Amino acid sequence: GIQVEQSPPDLILQEGANSTLRCNFSDSVNNLQWFHQNPWGQLINLFYIPSGTKQNGRLSATTVATERYSLLYISSSQTTDSGVYFCAVENNYGQNFVFGPGTRLSALP
Amino acid sequence: DGGITQSPKYLFRKEGQNVTLSCEQNLNHDAMYWYRQDPGQGLRLIYYSQIVNDFQKGDIAEGYSVSREKKESFPLTVTSAQKNPTAFYLCATHLVPGELFFGEGSRLTVL
Repeated sequence: GIQVEQSPPDLILQEGANSTLRCNFSDSVNNLQWFHQNPWGQLINLFYIPSGTKQNGRLSATTVATERYSLLYISSSQTTDSGVYFCAVENNYGQNFVFGPGTRLSALP
Repeated sequence: DGGITQSPKYLFRKEGQNVTLSCEQNLNHDAMYWYRQDPGQGLRLIYYSQIVNDFQKGDIAEGYSVSREKKESFPLTVTSAQKNPTAFYLCATHLVPGELFFGEGSRLTVL
C-alpha cells in the first residue's frame, strides 16, 4: 500500500517564526489533505489539495503530485498553531485514506 | 447542528467487556471510517464502509466489529478479543470525491 512520510517529526519555534512541513508519498493519489490536531485531540481540516497551491491566511500548501510530495507553510507562527500536523492521502482506488506519522509543532511565546 | 457526532466522549471499561462507540452523521456522506490513535502516534484504520450494508477491514481490524445498517450510522464495537483497547477512537466521513471530515473522538480506557 501507499507509504506516507512526514518531516520533521518535531519542530520547536518561537512565536513569529515561519516553518515548512513536508509530506512525501510513495504512489499516485486521488486526494491529499492536511490536518491540524489540537491539544484536545480534534482534527481540523486545513487544506484539501491533491495538486497545486492554496492559501488560507497565514497558512498555505503546495502539492506537486508528479513528484509525490506536499508542503505546508506556516508564517508568523502563533502559540495556537501548536499541535500535530498530519498529512493524509487517498489511494487511486478511492478506498481509504492513509495518514503520515505527523509533525509535532510547538510554538513558544 | 450539522456534522459528525461521536459518543460517548469518554468511556471506561473493565477487561473482558464489549463496548460500542457510536458515530452518527447528517452530512449525507456515503463513506465512513473508524481510526484508532495511540498516544503520540498517528492514525490507523480499523474499518471503513463505502455504502450501506457493506464494510471492509482496515489495517487493524482484529478485535473490532462494525455494522452499517443506515447511511447515517457506523457504530464500532470493541470486543474482549482486542488485547489493548485503551486508545482514542476517531470516526470520519467522506463525500466521494472530496474531503475527509472527523468527529471529536471517543477516549476509551480499560481498567
